[in-house]
Amino acid sequence: GENVEQHPSTLSVQEGDSAVIKCTYSDSASNYFPWYKQELGKRPQLIIDIRSNVGEKKDQRIAVTLNKTAKHFSLHITETQPEDSAVYFCAASDTLRAGGYQKVTFGTGTKLQVIP
Amino acid sequence: GAGVSQSPSNKVTEKGKDVELRCDPISGHTALYWYRQSLGQGLEFLIYFQGNSAPDKSGLPSDRFSAERTGGSVSTLTIQRTQQEDSAVYLCASSPTAANTEAFFGQGTRLTVV
Repeated sequence: GENVEQHPSTLSVQEGDSAVIKCTYSDSASNYFPWYKQELGKRPQLIIDIRSNVGEKKDQRIAVTLNKTAKHFSLHITETQPEDSAVYFCAASDTLRAGGYQKVTFGTGTKLQVIP
Repeated sequence: GAGVSQSPSNKVTEKGKDVELRCDPISGHTALYWYRQSLGQGLEFLIYFQGNSAPDKSGLPSDRFSAERTGGSVSTLTIQRTQQEDSAVYLCASSPTAANTEAFFGQGTRLTVV
């Protein structure tokens, strides 16, 4: 099955600086890579996703890149703000199975702290 | 419409007791996941249900843990003879049949074993 590794486990940045979180995956057939943000005491929520036919996607201060050859993808947050402080999870969706079923495998999470 | 609902939101139980945690997925979602999250830790996969397929139980940490999903909708995670190390937040998530779609999480059940 799919194995997703995520680094770093913790990350502290000064407000206004950029933050980068990196993930690798093992199943070359994976074709969907979402990122979730979990604020303290709350449930994880999708913030951005990328599909295997796209190399980069941007949404305001957040961008994701995907390198299928190397089987890694990254989350980039620019001009970080204190409200960006949270745990971020990457994930990979494995091979499309009969009936369109998928299984999402999550990374272990990165705790981002933005220091004012 | 309603999101993923979990109950109870908090549960305190004595060591050795059995507990049942409930998850109501979004209507029509065929995929359902259970995860465990210890304080400050990542998401530990427990079990995955998809339609009528056999569940993927590869993440269950011991035979004290079991889960079922009745009628392809509501799921119950049962922990028998609870231990203190079972204390964690148990999260449920569901997603639609279509591939490459968002997983929606419930608010979680915080289990404390004393």
